[in-house]
Amino acid sequence: DQQVKQNSPSLSVQEGRISILNCDYTNSMFDYFLWYKKYPAEGPTFLISISSIKDKNEDGRFTVFLNKSAKHLSLHIVPSQPGDSAVYFCAANAARNEKLTFGTGTRLTIIP
Amino acid sequence: NAGVTQTPKFQVLKTGQSMTLQCAQDMNHEYMSWYRQDPGMGLRLIHYSVGAGITDQGEVPNGYNVSRSTTEDFPLRLLSAAPSQTSVYFCASRTAAVGKKYTEAFFGQGTRLTVV
Repeated sequence: DQQVKQNSPSLSVQEGRISILNCDYTNSMFDYFLWYKKYPAEGPTFLISISSIKDKNEDGRFTVFLNKSAKHLSLHIVPSQPGDSAVYFCAANAARNEKLTFGTGTRLTIIP
Repeated sequence: NAGVTQTPKFQVLKTGQSMTLQCAQDMNHEYMSWYRQDPGMGLRLIHYSVGAGITDQGEVPNGYNVSRSTTEDFPLRLLSAAPSQTSVYFCASRTAAVGKKYTEAFFGQGTRLTVV
């Protein structure tokens, strides 16, 4: 049972435009959400996170939105740059334990 | 600053062989974890440790052992390798939560394991 779902395996966006990556979850106990970025042959690197007490968190070009009633979060990248081309993983955590549950990832390609 | 270092980067094993994947971190992080990444599955937690001498099972622990004798090292042992353990393995570390803020994990570069 996939508790964190990223339904779009891939996404292509023109350079300079907005990239929107989506993530849905089913476990209402999740209270902290993170986005990781992964380049080929490298480990995931942390990008941005959000607590369930917030509905938005912004860090430079990256903004994460959380809709608790819909159990949905999204990552917005504005403007998109070629270096943003990577696989993006959504992850969720419940009650500050060690168990992070990851989605299956979305491969983002930025077209110059 | 090395961060999280995994060795080896690549490994081919025959079914039934045993081996240890090494993981070391130099950030003095309390928490360390092992994940495996398979196509279409995302990353799944195998085992984790919240400090030296303390380990616990994750989502997919069968066929793997861990120990944590020091803060820096968290080796993952495959007892008798099986083709189903062909995967990319990632080690991660993070500091303990400060107040209510969950702290993000830092990942190693991964070990690509093939069991034939």
